[in-house]
Formats: sequence, C-alpha cells, structure tokens
Amino acid sequence: EPEVTQTPSHQVTQMGQEVILRCVPISNHLYFYWYRQILGQKVEFLVSFYNNEISEKSEIFDDQFSVERPDGSNFTLKIRSTKLEDSAMYFCASSVSQSTDTQYFGPGTRLTVL
Amino acid sequence: KQEVTQIPAALSVPEGENLVLNCSFTDSAIYNLQWFRQDPGKGLTSLLLIQSSQREQTSGRLNASLDKSSGRSTLYIAASQPGDSATYLCAVRWSNYQLIWGAGTKLIIKP
Repeated sequence: EPEVTQTPSHQVTQMGQEVILRCVPISNHLYFYWYRQILGQKVEFLVSFYNNEISEKSEIFDDQFSVERPDGSNFTLKIRSTKLEDSAMYFCASSVSQSTDTQYFGPGTRLTVL
Repeated sequence: KQEVTQIPAALSVPEGENLVLNCSFTDSAIYNLQWFRQDPGKGLTSLLLIQSSQREQTSGRLNASLDKSSGRSTLYIAASQPGDSATYLCAVRWSNYQLIWGAGTKLIIKP
C-alpha cells in the first residue's frame, strides 16, 4: 500500500541553524501539507501546497519557513533560523484532491532545537 | 473561532467492551471530518473520513457518525482489544485545505 515517507526520523540542531525536513508524498497525490505537533499539544496546520505554490498557510508559517517541491517526488520544509520553540514533531501529508479526500500522513520527523 | 473539542481526555475500559469517543466542533459548515489514531511517538493513521453530506462511515469494528447541526461526531469501537490502545484524534476541515484538530482522547484497553 502506498504511503507517505519522511526523513530524517529525528533531527537535532542548534538554535539559529537551518534545517530541511524531507517528505515523499504518495505518487498520484496532488496536494501536500505540513503540520506540526509540539509535545503535549494539538496538531497544528502549517501550510498546504498545490501546483507548485502555497495554497494556504497558517499564522505559524512566517518568513522563517518555506516549502518546495524540488523534483517530481520530494516535498521539503525549510526552517531558516531555528528557535527553541520550533522543537516539535513535523508531519507531512498528501491527498488526491482538496476538500473531499482523506489526507494521508507520514510517520513524522522529530525536530529538537538545542 | 473554529475549534474542535474531544472529551474525555483519557478513557480506560476492560477488553471486550464497546465504547464511544466524542468530538464536538463549532460552526456546522464543515467540508468533512476525519478520525485518526496516534500511537506513542508515532505518526497519524487515518481511520475514517466522513463527508459533510454523510451521516456515518464504517470500517471493521469502527463506526463514525456525524451530526452537523449539533456539531458532534462520535467514534464507536466495538469489542475493544488491547491493540486498540492509542490516542484517537478528530480533525475537521472547514476550508479547502487545512485540518483543525482536537486534543485527542487517550484510550487504554485493559486485558
């Protein structure tokens, strides 16, 4: 069964460093998403991406965040200058269409900022 | 403000019991509602998706219902098993894209 994959599973970085989190969505899916979950808190939406552009973003997704689909399979989330409060589990998701379809999630990348 | 609430935060029941998990949401103008399972330190597994036009969806021992007018959804688990122990999350789509999440119900099934 096709699945969303994410690498790395765990990333440790120093405050102020740039990190890139990588995702491979399900191959026939057209819509891609990033969410995050700070330990003990609710899952929060960051951004959605379609047709090589951001379709929706939350207040959390400020100028230090960016997303890219560098080739036909990968979808990346870049955090330019990490802060302690960026420590969280980051989930990538994909769906075939927008409103009506199930979003399928990857296993997540645990980001720890020291 | 669009919010999703799940009560109780935790639930412990003996194996074999049928149980109901609750999800409530503000604003009935939803696109759909999705139930997920999350195991400790793991990803989010989609269980059921209910469209706004639907009343319920079933998958195996799971049945999810939706009552838009009252802003409620329930996830019914029949004949619970220890392997059902996990956190169950409800997420609602109001806009075209993002899901807004509840805090989850942590379910423990005692053998």
